[in-house]
This record gives sequence, C-alpha cells and structure tokens, in this order.
Amino acid sequence: DQQVKQNSPSLSVQEGRISILNCDYTNSMFDYFLWYKKYPAEGPTFLISISSIKDKNEDGRFTVFLNKSAKHLSLHIVPSQPGDSAVYFCASNYGSSNTGKLIFGQGTTLQVKP
Amino acid sequence: DTAVSQTPKYLVTQMGNDKSIKCEQNLGHDTMYWYKQDSKKFLKIMFSYNNKELIINETVPNRFSPKSPDKAHLNLHINSLELGDSAVYFCASSRRDGEKLFFGSGTQLSVL
Repeated sequence: DQQVKQNSPSLSVQEGRISILNCDYTNSMFDYFLWYKKYPAEGPTFLISISSIKDKNEDGRFTVFLNKSAKHLSLHIVPSQPGDSAVYFCASNYGSSNTGKLIFGQGTTLQVKP
Repeated sequence: DTAVSQTPKYLVTQMGNDKSIKCEQNLGHDTMYWYKQDSKKFLKIMFSYNNKELIINETVPNRFSPKSPDKAHLNLHINSLELGDSAVYFCASSRRDGEKLFFGSGTQLSVL
C-alpha cells in the first residue's frame, strides 16, 4: 500500500515553460513534505519542503503547493531549464514530525527540451 | 569534499555471498540512514542511527546488519545474499532527526 503516489512517471516540457509535478498522499498524519531531485548515478538532493501549516512555499523558480483537504501537493518550476531534467521524488514524514523516516513516491522523470 | 560518500559504487556478487557497503559523512551530522531503491524505483528506509544508536529498524531481514563505529560512519553488512537483494542502496545523513537528508550517490548491488 503506497502512501505517497506520483501517478505521472514522466513529463516533458519546453524550456521556459512551467513544469508541474504532482503528488498524492493517503495518510492524514503526514505533516511535512519534501521534494528531492535526482540525476542519473547520483543520490537524491533536497529541493524544497513544506510544512502542513502552510499551503505554499517558494524558493526561486521552485514553488510547492499543498492542498491538505485533497491530500495533494504539487511542485511548480518556472521557468523550466534544461538543467532541471531529472527525476523528482515527492516524500513525506511518517507519523510525527522530525523523523528521518521519509516515505517516497516512485518519482517523475522531467525532461526539459531546449 | 564529498559530503556523503559510499563505497563501492557497483557491487556484483554471487548468491550466498556476504558483502559490505561502507558509508561516511563529513557534515558533522548526528543521524545516518540506509535507504533501498527497489526495481519499481521506490526509495524505502531500512535503518537509521542517531549518534551510533539504532533508531529505526524497518522490517528488514536479519541478514542485513548495520554497524556504526562512530557517528560519521554507518556500514551495511549483508549475509547470504539473495537475488531479491539486487537494488540500489543509498546512505544518507541529516543534522538531526527530521532535518533534510543528504544522500550518497548510491551502491548498485547485483546478485547473480
């Protein structure tokens, strides 16, 4: 039973346009959400996070939106750049806050075309 | 100046063998983890250690034994390797529980 789901395995966008990556979760106890980015042959790197007390967090070109009632979050990248091409993982804390026990989605491969 | 380094990067071995994967972090973090990425690409936690003490031990076979000689190192020893152990294993660390994780580049384990 996968508690964090990324239903789109891949996404392709043109350089300069917006990329929207989606993530759904099932456990209402989740209270902290993170996005990680992964290039081939490298480990995931932290991108941005959001606490359940917020509905939006922005960091440069990256914005994460959280809709608690729908148990849905999304990552917006504007404008998209070719260097953003990578696998993006959504993750959440399981149970209480401040635990490194993250539940990951299966990832979405983003391709940004020049 | 790699923050979290794990060795080897690739490990090919026969069923039944015993192997170890080493992990070291130079970030001064207190907590270290082992995650496994399976064939379906899901990343799942296996273990976490805080200052050399075991904190999280998911439902992992006893053949997997983590060892933390100090808070900068968390090694993973696997006994009697099975075909199903083939996966990518990632080591990670964080400043304290719940802080964002810093991952190593992974160890691709192939059991033949």
